[in-house]
Amino acid sequence: EAGVVQSPRYKIIEKKQPVAFWCNPISGHNTLYWYRQNLGQGPELLIRYENEEAVDDSQLPKDRFSAERLKGVDSTLKIQPAELGDSAVYLCASSPPRGDPNYGYTFGSGTRLTVV
Amino acid sequence: RKEVEQDPGPFNVPEGATVAFNCTYSNSASQSFFWYRQDCRKEPKLLMSVYSSGNEDGRFTAQLNRASQYISLLIRDSKLSDSATYLCVVKDSNYQLIWGAGTKLIIKP
Repeated sequence: EAGVVQSPRYKIIEKKQPVAFWCNPISGHNTLYWYRQNLGQGPELLIRYENEEAVDDSQLPKDRFSAERLKGVDSTLKIQPAELGDSAVYLCASSPPRGDPNYGYTFGSGTRLTVV
Repeated sequence: RKEVEQDPGPFNVPEGATVAFNCTYSNSASQSFFWYRQDCRKEPKLLMSVYSSGNEDGRFTAQLNRASQYISLLIRDSKLSDSATYLCVVKDSNYQLIWGAGTKLIIKP
């Protein structure tokens, strides 16, 4: 079974430029998450989708960040314009429908963004 | 106060030693508890869930004390390959994962 696929693995951009990340979750996983992880910190949730609906985007900086999951499968996260403080690893994760409350999430390998 | 707090680390221990990680959480309504492992420049991966009765997986033992809102992970007979960051994770009533900052473990030969 393919895991959560993210691309690109690495991205270096100049500040004020736009950038986009892509995620394809595990087949059948209706819940998709975008996290940001800074060095030495745990992941921080940016947005959570249940199918195509964004059910929790309270921590997404909406002035410059946007996300979409149009068909309830793959998703993109965009930053425009990027700032130096956006340098981090952006992780996508997915989980199956709410059945087993003890089931954990599966993460993609992440996109390491460096803004210079 | 952070919702999930862990020992700041890093822990530097010799191979073969026993290592204990501690974690506390602030939301008494939290439903599920996990330990994740994250290798350098890799994504977090589920190590084990944590049950109230305590659970063991080989050299790893996890325990939960709901009254004290405390979670622990014990690694016995540590191996060089155990070197990683260990993240304490709590799932709240909205099925959202709340992450600790992680504790880095370095096993020395």
